[in-house]
Amino acid sequence: GAVVSQHPSWVICKSGTSVKIECRSLDFQATTMFWYRQFPKQSLMLMATSNEGSKATYEQGVEKDKFLINHASLTLSTLTVTSAHPEDSSFYICSASGTNTGELFFGEGSRLTVL
Amino acid sequence: QKEVEQDPGPLSVPEGAIVSLNCTYSNSAFQYFMWYRQYSRKGPELLMYTYSSGNKEDGRFTAQVDKSSKYISLFIRDSQPSDSATYLCAMTMNTGFQKLVFGTGTRLLVSP
Repeated sequence: GAVVSQHPSWVICKSGTSVKIECRSLDFQATTMFWYRQFPKQSLMLMATSNEGSKATYEQGVEKDKFLINHASLTLSTLTVTSAHPEDSSFYICSASGTNTGELFFGEGSRLTVL
Repeated sequence: QKEVEQDPGPLSVPEGAIVSLNCTYSNSAFQYFMWYRQYSRKGPELLMYTYSSGNKEDGRFTAQVDKSSKYISLFIRDSQPSDSATYLCAMTMNTGFQKLVFGTGTRLLVSP
């Protein structure tokens, strides 16, 4: 299957700092990318949908000014957690949709710990 | 009430057992149903997907959808220790895989 790579896979930061997570589709062009958040023992929750070259669409309850999403090319989307706080500590997973089947391919996730 | 309910487990079975994993849902508009497998600290990978009601078989895996009961199942035959993972059900109203709503996942442990 197609490969989606996330970086970093694990990050620890101090409260108040910003963290950027990258999501890359390695062998296909992703017109649409999705960002999910997964708290321990909870389900994956969709945060936002990003389309290449346009503004992201955020789900209800997700602060767009806190979680900045940029989808500048067909192979890269970034999620920046601004002014991170301990409650933002979570597992962030991206997925990318190819242009043919629409099937989603997930990255390996990025575990964020805010101290 | 959550849109998708799934028992978090863990479900422990011996190698070779038949495993049954289930989800219930409340939104009758869901049309597409998926099962994902997620190993620890990894992203989910798609196992199977079905459209509307019915069964679908792929090797040792069988997915069932009963829309009248709003109930979906994943059966694993001849379970192996390598099947130990978290299994997430997901569903959507859309024709594609977008706007997926996930269950919490069931952790499966298959002992040798």
